[in-house]
Amino acid sequence: SQTIHQWPATLVQPVGSPLSLECTVEGTSNPNLYWYRQAAGRGLQLLFYSVGIGQISSEVPQNLSASRPQDRQFILSSKKLLLSDSGFYLCAWRGRMRAFFGQGTRLTVV
Amino acid sequence: DQQVKQNSPSLSVQEGRISILNCDYTNSMFDYFLWYKKYPAEGPTFLISISSIKDKNEDGRFTVFLNKSAKHLSLHIVPSQPGDSAVYFCAASVYGGSQGNLIFGKGTKLSVKP
Repeated sequence: SQTIHQWPATLVQPVGSPLSLECTVEGTSNPNLYWYRQAAGRGLQLLFYSVGIGQISSEVPQNLSASRPQDRQFILSSKKLLLSDSGFYLCAWRGRMRAFFGQGTRLTVV
Repeated sequence: DQQVKQNSPSLSVQEGRISILNCDYTNSMFDYFLWYKKYPAEGPTFLISISSIKDKNEDGRFTVFLNKSAKHLSLHIVPSQPGDSAVYFCAASVYGGSQGNLIFGKGTKLSVKP
């Protein structure tokens, strides 16, 4: 069966520091991978999606970037965090019809 | 522009009664709709879905209704249980379209009181 791993679960970072969140998927090949953010009052906002290695599409302009160095690995990064980057970040992969989510990372930028 | 709207940020229901969660969408190309349930500090989990060729789908205590002419769907939970207390997200997609991305609403926080 397919599983999705996301880490770390929580992270507190100072403003201006870099960020790297990692997501890996097991049990499937060539998955469509997604990064979502849940911020207060804004629901689940799609940040990036990837249909293959090195293929990244951004849905909203922001201070973040994503990379897909391997088929089942998706990384969310920032060179310098802003206070507004705080939120709950979710990695997901899309099966035939539905999406499956990781457990999320609570990022607090202080 | 929000393509998927959940206009009620919260809903409180007594245990054993019916919970009705509503969702509206604007993109007439959407043809697949899903409901997800989310507990705090956890990823959303899939609950139930419906294709645009149907107007109703039922799974145990959960039923989703789709009204395509009104671009409206609803999730009914009967009977509601305290364990149903969570945030419920409505999502929509265009099957096979570009990347098949799921577009989510802002969520409705359901509280079921014993």
